[in-house]
Amino acid sequence: KAGVTQTPRYLIKTRGQQVTLSCSPISGHRSVSWYQQTPGQGLQFLFEYFSETQRNKGNFPGRFSGRQFSNSRSEMNVSTLELGDSALYLCASAGVHEQFFGPGTRLTVL
Amino acid sequence: AQSVTQLDSHVSVSEGTPVLLRCNYSSSYSPSLFWYVQHPNKGLQLLLKYTSAATLVKGINGFEAEFKKSETSFHLTKPSAHMSDAAEYFCVVSPRLNQAGTALIFGKGTTLSVSS
Repeated sequence: KAGVTQTPRYLIKTRGQQVTLSCSPISGHRSVSWYQQTPGQGLQFLFEYFSETQRNKGNFPGRFSGRQFSNSRSEMNVSTLELGDSALYLCASAGVHEQFFGPGTRLTVL
Repeated sequence: AQSVTQLDSHVSVSEGTPVLLRCNYSSSYSPSLFWYVQHPNKGLQLLLKYTSAATLVKGINGFEAEFKKSETSFHLTKPSAHMSDAAEYFCVVSPRLNQAGTALIFGKGTTLSVSS
């Protein structure tokens, strides 16, 4: 069974630009969550989608948004990038009792 | 509110000696608890999980953890460290028992170093 895949693996953007990250969950999983990992703040929950609906949202500004498609693939978008958005963005696919994480997308904002 | 505290930011052991990574949690509900490991430049891998069945939980690679409600602890142990165990370890609480997909709350992480 294929794991969670995230594309791209690395991104370099400049301040003010926007970026879209993609996540494909494990086949059959309908819940996808996104997390941001930074050295200062650690791992923080961004949002969760289930059956194309946002079910949970963390404490992040509106510049961070996401969506989920009918095949459960999910995208997250960050608009008007700031230097502080540089982070590893992890996607998780939810099984029965646990979440399975992808390798992450490393975003660098210059 | 739920929270998790990893008591050590860095633990150093010698190869072949026991490993103890400490975690305390706070939860209003009966929580699900997890330990994840992250190797450099990699995603998170689930080591083990507690979901209200047995309080002693066995995971992959010889790791185990014991859920102690009276002490609100979920410490991770391994009898004998291996060089490949060197990584970042995260104690995680899920606010709702047995409900995957809810917002996980992560500890700050413990870096495990293993020397030969």
